[in-house]
Amino acid sequence: ETGVTQSPTHLIKTRGQQVTLRCSSQSGHNTVSWYQQALGQGPQFIFQYYREEENGRGNFPPRFSGLQFPNYSSELNVNALELDDSALYLCASSPSGATNEKLFFGSGTQLSVL
Amino acid sequence: GQQLNQSPQSMFIQEGEDVSMNCTSSSIFNTWLWYKQDPGEGPVLLIALYKAGELTSNGRLTAQFGITRKDSFLNISASIPSDVGIYFCAGLTTSGSRLTFGEGTQLTVNP
Repeated sequence: ETGVTQSPTHLIKTRGQQVTLRCSSQSGHNTVSWYQQALGQGPQFIFQYYREEENGRGNFPPRFSGLQFPNYSSELNVNALELDDSALYLCASSPSGATNEKLFFGSGTQLSVL
Repeated sequence: GQQLNQSPQSMFIQEGEDVSMNCTSSSIFNTWLWYKQDPGEGPVLLIALYKAGELTSNGRLTAQFGITRKDSFLNISASIPSDVGIYFCAGLTTSGSRLTFGEGTQLTVNP
């Protein structure tokens, strides 16, 4: 059984650019959530995808968008990058869209915006 | 929005000592969770609590779900060097699709 994998592990972008982060969910999991973790802070919920549809969104602007594919993998896209977008982006999968306490997190993508 | 206040922010202890950390909220949660995060990794679930007053253990870890449903604590007994890391509390509402995390407690264990 493979765990949650994220790519790339590290990324450096400049302000105004666009970025796409990728996540493969754990085998058998059909729900994917994305979290942003700024340095020294706890993870903040961005959004969740279940059956290829957005199923809840946190307090993030529309330039943060996502996709879920039929194989349950997911992408997080951020447009018009700002310096404050520098953070660890965590993907987490769970086996059901109804209960979310059994989240399994990936190791994250460390995004630096210069 | 919902906020979780976690304390202490950091702890420096000697190997073998017991540790206690807690989390409080202005809102009610129906599930409380405790995670540990190591450097360069995502959070890993340690304990999940589902009912007010519930006391649950996982090895040397014990956590309790407060009666008011607005707080939780985590105890670690007889700490060892591999307990080093950041511990996060998180809350979940019944209808929610999101976890609300605390700001974390950085634990350092001196051998």
